[in-house]
Amino acid sequence: NAGVTQTPKFQVLKTGQSMTLQCAQDMNHEYMSWYRQDPGMGLRLIHYSVGAGITDQGEVPNGYNVSRSTTEDFPLRLLLAAPSQTSVYFCASSYGPVSMNTEAFFGQGTRLTVV
Amino acid sequence: DAKTTQPNSMESNEEEPVHLPCNHSTISGTDYIHWYRQLPSQGPEYVIHGLTSNVNNRMASLAIAEDRKSSTLILHRATLRDAAVYYCILRGRGDYGSARQLTFGSGTQLTVLP
Repeated sequence: NAGVTQTPKFQVLKTGQSMTLQCAQDMNHEYMSWYRQDPGMGLRLIHYSVGAGITDQGEVPNGYNVSRSTTEDFPLRLLLAAPSQTSVYFCASSYGPVSMNTEAFFGQGTRLTVV
Repeated sequence: DAKTTQPNSMESNEEEPVHLPCNHSTISGTDYIHWYRQLPSQGPEYVIHGLTSNVNNRMASLAIAEDRKSSTLILHRATLRDAAVYYCILRGRGDYGSARQLTFGSGTQLTVLP
């Protein structure tokens, strides 16, 4: 199993450009989510999905779009990149809600710089 | 998620035990205590979780106070590879909505000295 795979690992964008951060998991997990992490801070939830065709907003959704057409993939789209979106982005997946006996698995992250 | 409080940073010597504390005075009876850690330039990884009883796994032990208002993550012999940010997170049974996802605080930065 590859686990959670994020691409690209690094990206530099110009202000106003758009791009898609890819996230794929091969564990047949229903739950997937995107977080961003700014320097010296914990992770903040951007968007999440509890299954194919179902997405919802997290704590900091503005400026980002998501879709979930398959169980395996959960891409994050930046429509008009802004310097404030410079951050490290992590994708996570879990079999179900992270509660009793379900752990979350994280990708290695995408380091995005918007200039 | 109920709030947790952790020290910003701790230091330990290599091959010595490390006790990482977490206070969660507003924990509810159905909240599980989860620990994750984040190694430098890596995504977070699961360490351990528990409800009431102390728990052991290959990575660590979790000691939970009798009143459940605090817990301690124990690394029995710290190695340089254990240098990371450690997050203590409470998860309620059957969380709904965005609470279904983890809420990260700032965690404890553990430095392991050779």
